[in-house]
This record gives sequence, C-alpha cells and structure tokens, in this order.
Amino acid sequence: QKEVEQDPGPLSVPEGAIVSLNCTYSNSAFQYFMWYRQYSRKGPELLMYTYSSGNKEDGRFTAQVDKSSKYISLFIRDSQPSDSATYLCATATQGGSEKLVFGKGTKLTVNP
Amino acid sequence: EADIYQTPRYLVIGTGKKITLECSQTMGHDKMYWYQQDPGMELHLIHYSYGVNSTEKGDLSSESTVSRIRTEHFPLTLESARPSHTSQYLCASSDRGTASYEQYFGPGTRLTVT
Repeated sequence: QKEVEQDPGPLSVPEGAIVSLNCTYSNSAFQYFMWYRQYSRKGPELLMYTYSSGNKEDGRFTAQVDKSSKYISLFIRDSQPSDSATYLCATATQGGSEKLVFGKGTKLTVNP
Repeated sequence: EADIYQTPRYLVIGTGKKITLECSQTMGHDKMYWYQQDPGMELHLIHYSYGVNSTEKGDLSSESTVSRIRTEHFPLTLESARPSHTSQYLCASSDRGTASYEQYFGPGTRLTVT
C-alpha cells in the first residue's frame, strides 16, 4: 500500500465550479500536510500547508485534514482557468519533515 | 517567484555519457533536495543536503551522485547514463529557519537517454 494515495484524474470543470481534490494516507505519524501546485513545464510551488487536523483557508482555497480517517482535502471555490494545473498532496512526519511523501497529483482543467 | 535555477532544462544524450545537472539557488537556503518525477507518478526524493559538505541518499535508490561544496550549488552527476535514467529531475531548497515542508522548486531538467 502506498503511503499517500491520490486520484490522478484528470478532472475537468467549468469556470466558477467548486473543486474538491482529495488524498488518503496510511502513516499515522504524518503531522504536516501540504498541497503543491504544478503548472505545465514548471516545478511545484507550495500552495497551502496544515499542521495536524483542521481547516485552513486562504482566499478561494481551503485545506482540510481529518486525521481520524487519514483524509486530506483541498477545496477551490469559484475556480478560474488560471487554476488549471496538477495539484500534489504531500505529507511529512514531525522531525522528519525534510522527507516529503507525495501523491501522484491530480490534473485539473478549468474550462472558461 | 523562487530564485532557484536548473540547467539544462532539456537534455537528450546517448547511453554511456557522463552528465551533470546543475542546480543553484540565491536564497541562502541551507537545505537542498533532488527529486525524480516520472509522468503520472509521485515525486521521489533521491538526494538531500543539510548544508555544505553534507549529502544524504533519499528514499528512492539512484545511481546518481551529488556534491555540496557551496551553499548555493547542488549538482547531480550520472557517471554513465542509461535509458532507465530518462526522467524529470527537480531540485528544491528550503530555509533552516522554516519547516522543511516549505520547499522551493526549480523548473526541472527533463532528461532523455537514448
């Protein structure tokens, strides 16, 4: 079983839709949960991170972690064509946070 | 935008050649990383460094080697390239003062070995 599972999609939505991206993980020791965004032919960039359980909101983006079910979510409200990218979830343990464990990434296309 | 650079961006090379992928950052970050990314697959850590003269192997076994003689420079070398080395290689860095999940990535080098 992979440590982080992520549906690779692809996911195609109309502009303005609410997008839900999800990952599951297996290692209870994971404490840091990140979402990276990767545009085509670019390196990933950190979008949001959460420590332990809970929600975090940043503009149109909300990251959610449910440690009881080992479930990570990223919600995008009012999606825009500029949100079209691959979204990678990543996790890390406390004290070992140099070693990020990534999901495969979900490719999202927002159609105008 | 992060100041981390990788050269070359694309490289097509024959089997058996020695290659060096360059990575430089101007942010003064202590920690640097090399990842391998294949299409539709996870990023896998192949090397990392905590600072000058520090190098460690990552979780994915790799025939490549790295060096860290200067803070800003973290080159990756393949002594004898093989078709199995065809992949995208991503370099990243993070600051000692922040959690290492905040990694800044370069644009990547897409390597094809024929």
